[in-house]
Amino acid sequence: QLQLQESGPGLVWPSETLSLTCTVSGGSISSGDYWWGWIRQPPEKGLEWIGVIYYSGSTYYNPSLNSRVTISVDTSKNHFSLKLSSVTAADTALYYCARTYGNNWFDPWGPGTLVTVSS
Amino acid sequence: EIVMTQSPGTLSVSPGERATLSCRASQSISNNLAWYQQKPGQAPRLLIYGASTRATGIPARFSGSGSGTEFTLTISSLQSEDFAVYYCQQYNSWPLTFGGGTKVEIK
Repeated sequence: QLQLQESGPGLVWPSETLSLTCTVSGGSISSGDYWWGWIRQPPEKGLEWIGVIYYSGSTYYNPSLNSRVTISVDTSKNHFSLKLSSVTAADTALYYCARTYGNNWFDPWGPGTLVTVSS
Repeated sequence: EIVMTQSPGTLSVSPGERATLSCRASQSISNNLAWYQQKPGQAPRLLIYGASTRATGIPARFSGSGSGTEFTLTISSLQSEDFAVYYCQQYNSWPLTFGGGTKVEIK
């Protein structure tokens, strides 16, 4: 059974870079049918798509975050990563990683990790 | 960007009753729509994709319908474990976007 797990600092200083990793177990990140994505959810709010990556390194990002987002993949470690630069309090959210079939729906999701931007 | 609007914001339903949730897209998305269920403290779970296809392991009481701009998620007989927040998501075009959610609460 495929499982995803987010990891990274829970607290980030304003103007710094948020860095998270999603480790995939129970399956290969190099499976050609799937892309791998990041979604976030501010406290008590809805879901926002951040971006996706294919095992080859191809990416798509949300234009609202495009200039600040980098998603990368390490197939040897079976994980992919998110970097979000110049963070502000508005970037405080639960960050989820998920698998996406053909850049469509997301399934399954990791349990999520809360990142707070604060000094 | 395609804007997804869900209604109502909150739906109060008694156990055993039927719940009907709506999702509207700001432009046609064909049947490129998914529904998710999110319980407190948990990640979203995929319920429906392709507007009407149930995901693996999803009970038959969940059904989806619609195409174009108007979509519906129906829960035929609400069970205690179904009280949660439900989100729709379009994948017709970039960026992928979600609706604001409908909370289904116990009446």
